[in-house]
Amino acid sequence: DTEVTQTPKHLVMGMTNKKSLKCEQHMGHRAMYWYKQKAKKPPELMFVYSYEKLSINESVPSRFSPECPNSSLLNLHLHALQPEDSALYLCASRQGLAGGNEQFFGPGTRLTVL
Amino acid sequence: AQSVTQPDIHITVSEGASLELRCNYSYGATPYLFWYVQSPGQGLQLLLKYFSGDTLVQGIKGFEAEFKRSQSSFNLRKPSVHWSDAAEYFCAAYNSGGSNYKLTFGKGTLLTVNP
Repeated sequence: DTEVTQTPKHLVMGMTNKKSLKCEQHMGHRAMYWYKQKAKKPPELMFVYSYEKLSINESVPSRFSPECPNSSLLNLHLHALQPEDSALYLCASRQGLAGGNEQFFGPGTRLTVL
Repeated sequence: AQSVTQPDIHITVSEGASLELRCNYSYGATPYLFWYVQSPGQGLQLLLKYFSGDTLVQGIKGFEAEFKRSQSSFNLRKPSVHWSDAAEYFCAAYNSGGSNYKLTFGKGTLLTVNP
């Protein structure tokens, strides 16, 4: 199974709401990523988890809060977002943080902040 | 600084024509190189990758890429394009030493296929 799944597929939220994005992989990968992608742009790295610990935070605002409950699951908790946070949020997984092993991407969650 | 450049923002080809998408990299040592494809509103799918060895790499969907060290290039090719190939294509790279968490992407090339 080389699939990364993400739920929900679409999400509309107000600026005062709290919501969560979920990502799951069953490939035994030990590194997981969150990306934000705006239209016509490449993905922009947000967070990297390695062995369930947060390794990298690319100076992401605190209104985005990642969580890795176990090696297969990655969440992104959203609170008090701004309209400019509307984007496609992609999750990816990888065997580990070294070597040339590729990242496997999920289909993304299309987030709209009103 | 490490970078990946895709010189063409948008390319239009006719169905059945050949295709070449350009990618150049700037790294101290040869990086690990990838091509991904993204259909509208979808995630990224890996087409092929290059680590070392044979400089002509075969991928999925009939794509291939050629690594040229002298030109710091990793161009993607397909002999005959299908309408379903219309998508955004991203070239990407990791540095080849130590911990390399960050995948550096080019800005992407949008491929339009005319019937």
